[in-house]
Amino acid sequence: GAVVSQHPSWVICKSGTSVKIECRSLDFQATTMFWYRQFPKQSLMLMATSNEGSKATYEQGVEKDKFLINHASLTLSTLTVTSAHPEDSSFYICSARDGGGGYTFGSGTRLTVV
Amino acid sequence: QQPVQSPQAVILREGEDAVINCSSSKALYSVHWYRQKHGEAPVFLMILLKGGEQKGHDKISASFNEKKQQSSLYLTASQLSYSGTYFCGTEIGDDKIIFGKGTRLHILP
Repeated sequence: GAVVSQHPSWVICKSGTSVKIECRSLDFQATTMFWYRQFPKQSLMLMATSNEGSKATYEQGVEKDKFLINHASLTLSTLTVTSAHPEDSSFYICSARDGGGGYTFGSGTRLTVV
Repeated sequence: QQPVQSPQAVILREGEDAVINCSSSKALYSVHWYRQKHGEAPVFLMILLKGGEQKGHDKISASFNEKKQQSSLYLTASQLSYSGTYFCGTEIGDDKIIFGKGTRLHILP
């Protein structure tokens, strides 16, 4: 089945630094990828849509300058959390439509900002 | 626009059945069901597109009512491996999905 590889699985960073999270579709092309954030015991909240070859579109309330998204190729999307603060600590997950009707999710990245 | 899930949590003994509901005040374009285990990414279970549709595999099935405002996920003779949080999601355009708040299912041996 379709696989989306997400790295890193977890990261701990100091407040004020930036962190990059990568998502790759391994066996299919994804012109669009979606980035979600999930706080403990809460639902997945859509942050932004990553579009290959064009600018990402952000959901209301998500700061585009803080969460930089780049979709450099048909198989790679990256999310960079800039100047991270403790309140950015969360579980970040990417997903892409896999052609079978459903969406395949990456394995998620647990970000802890100290 | 966020679909409403119920119940919020369920505790069952292995072998018992469970029903999780997902509803909306407006007709939904589609309903997706996912299961997420703690610390892991959600895993796709199934998608329903048509009013009145029913589908399933193994002992997990789902229905979508005629008005496309309610979907139910049925877990029959639950197994320990069914434990996790179940999310329903609906497409809101541009291939985007928004999810309900989830239903936590815990299966006891």
